[in-house]
Amino acid sequence: DTGVSQNPRHKITKRGQNVTFRCDPISEHNRLYWYRQTLGQGPEFLTYFQNEAQLEKSRLLSDRFSAERPKGSFSTLEIQRTEQGDSAMYLCASSGRWGDEQFFGPGTRLTVL
Amino acid sequence: AQSVTQPDIHITVSEGASLELRCNYSYGATPYLFWYVQSPGQGLQLLLKYFSGDTLVQGIKGFEAEFKRSQSSFNLRKPSVHWSDAAEYFCAVVHPGDTGRRALTFGSGTRLQVQP
Repeated sequence: DTGVSQNPRHKITKRGQNVTFRCDPISEHNRLYWYRQTLGQGPEFLTYFQNEAQLEKSRLLSDRFSAERPKGSFSTLEIQRTEQGDSAMYLCASSGRWGDEQFFGPGTRLTVL
Repeated sequence: AQSVTQPDIHITVSEGASLELRCNYSYGATPYLFWYVQSPGQGLQLLLKYFSGDTLVQGIKGFEAEFKRSQSSFNLRKPSVHWSDAAEYFCAVVHPGDTGRRALTFGSGTRLQVQP
């Protein structure tokens, strides 16, 4: 297993466009997390899945953001009508059991022009 | 609400010197505690974690951390720093209970610079 992967690694888009990111967790992990990290800050929680169920969403996740994990494997994070304030690193992590280590992917860096 | 404080934004040490990075948390109960390292262009890597038991935990790359309940602290230490340790270090916590918040709460990080 090669760990958590994220695609694309970089995305540049114009304000108002929609973007979608993909996360492939470690295959046996049933828990998947999305975080957002801005420059000079620690990652901030966005949302969490256990298998295909989205169990928690942060208040940071506005109605322009949607996340899915349709078959309990990979996950997508979509941002509609992007704004310059959405520019950040979007991190995905997975874990196999509650409280265990979360393994992070390399992230997708979004730049909104 | 729970919070994690890393008081030092930036630390510079000489190669071979000892290192201590501070972390304090504010939480209703003793959370699970973690230290992660992030190098440029790399994902976050777990250095060590504390759930319960021995309050001095050993991690990878020669790092250790000590949990002090009375001070709500979980400071990271290394006796001799190597140039490759230059990176951003994050302390993080998660609620220990089944009904609690499962996502990590991170501090704002400490950037470590190592001088030759």
